[in-house]
Amino acid sequence: SQKIEQNSEALNIQEGKTATLTCNYTNYSPAYLQWYRQDPGRGPVFLLLIRENEKEKRKERLKVTFDTTLKQSLFHITASQPADSATYLCALTNAGGTSYGKLTFGQGTILTVHP
Amino acid sequence: SQTIHQWPATLVQPVGSPLSLECTVEGTSNPNLYWYRQAAGRGLQLLFYSVGIGQISSEVPQNLSASRPQDRQFILSSKKLLLSDSGFYLCAWSANLGGSYGYTFGSGTRLTVV
Repeated sequence: SQKIEQNSEALNIQEGKTATLTCNYTNYSPAYLQWYRQDPGRGPVFLLLIRENEKEKRKERLKVTFDTTLKQSLFHITASQPADSATYLCALTNAGGTSYGKLTFGQGTILTVHP
Repeated sequence: SQTIHQWPATLVQPVGSPLSLECTVEGTSNPNLYWYRQAAGRGLQLLFYSVGIGQISSEVPQNLSASRPQDRQFILSSKKLLLSDSGFYLCAWSANLGGSYGYTFGSGTRLTVV
């Protein structure tokens, strides 16, 4: 069956350090992989998208890598700040099959950045 | 710029009562529209999506239905709510199916069925 796993339910780090979140998937042939941020009681906010033929993408302090051989994406926040504390969701769109075009989400990782 | 509106923000409904949640998008035409549900502490589950007026695809058989009476309006309904329908309901839109430019979510409706 298809599965998207974000390995850590919760991640605690100190301010200024780099946070690294992991997303692994099975039985997908993703066209895109996306990362979202969700604050409590709010809808997710789109952060970054990386395509199957891209290895890495950056946006300010954010970096996403995508390894289709390992079936894994890593999401990095450098120089983390307490304001980065939130739940981060990984999401996939399949390139084909019955789930084509539909965005499926992982369970999320709750990141807490301590001052 | 594009905006998405979802209401109400919170709703407490008794078991067996009807439900209607509305979502509208502004600033774009022919958006792809989605309804997701998020149970407490869990990921988002896709319930319905629509690629055009009157076109609804259901992802999960359940007590809910969706309609798209206008291009930028998406409605989630139920004739009789169950306790298990409680959750956080999110509407979203994208420029294309699968969202190669990302999805934009509304602020959500917290539904509690009592």
